Amino acid sequence: ETGVTQSPTHLIKTRGQQVTLRCSSQSGHNTVSWYQQALGQGPQFIFQYYREEENGRGNFPPRFSGLQFPNYSSELNVNALELDDSALYLCASSWGERETQYFGPGTRLLVL
Amino acid sequence: AQSVSQHNHHVILSEAASLELGCNYSYGGTVNLFWYVQYPGQHLQLLLKYFSGDPLVKGIKGFEAEFIKSKFSFNLRKPSVQWSDTAEYFCAVTSSGAGSYQLTFGKGTKLSVIP
Repeated sequence: ETGVTQSPTHLIKTRGQQVTLRCSSQSGHNTVSWYQQALGQGPQFIFQYYREEENGRGNFPPRFSGLQFPNYSSELNVNALELDDSALYLCASSWGERETQYFGPGTRLLVL
Repeated sequence: AQSVSQHNHHVILSEAASLELGCNYSYGGTVNLFWYVQYPGQHLQLLLKYFSGDPLVKGIKGFEAEFIKSKFSFNLRKPSVQWSDTAEYFCAVTSSGAGSYQLTFGKGTKLSVIP
């Protein structure tokens, strides 16, 4: 059974740029959730995708967007990067929207 | 909106000491409760979870947690910690009602175990 994988592991961008982060869900899982973890904080929910549809969104602006593909992998896109977007971005997958979520290793984004 | 409070930011214990990490949540409905652990350099891993049934839940590596509904609490315990338990511990909640798909996390408790 393959766990949740994310790419890239680290990324450095400058303010105003756009970034795409990728996530492959655990084998057999059809739901992907994205979280932002700032330094010293717990993860904060960005949004969830269930069967290729956005299934809920946290308190993040529209410049945070996503996609889920037919194989249930997912992308997180962030436009017009701001310094405060610097964080660890976590992807979690689950079998179903309300089932236990299993996390990937994260992508650490630094915005300069 | 639901929220989770973890009482201790940093806990330092000697090996073989007992551990209890506090977690309180605010939500009036039915909840699912989780403890996740993040070892240094590793990703978040599920320690244990409570959905329903016996409020005393046993997880991996000798950890357990007790759900006390009247106190809105889900404290994590381990009778004897080891150096390898050094990690950051996160309590999280999701509700069982409609639109309850998101995990709400506490800020985490860093545990340092001294050999």
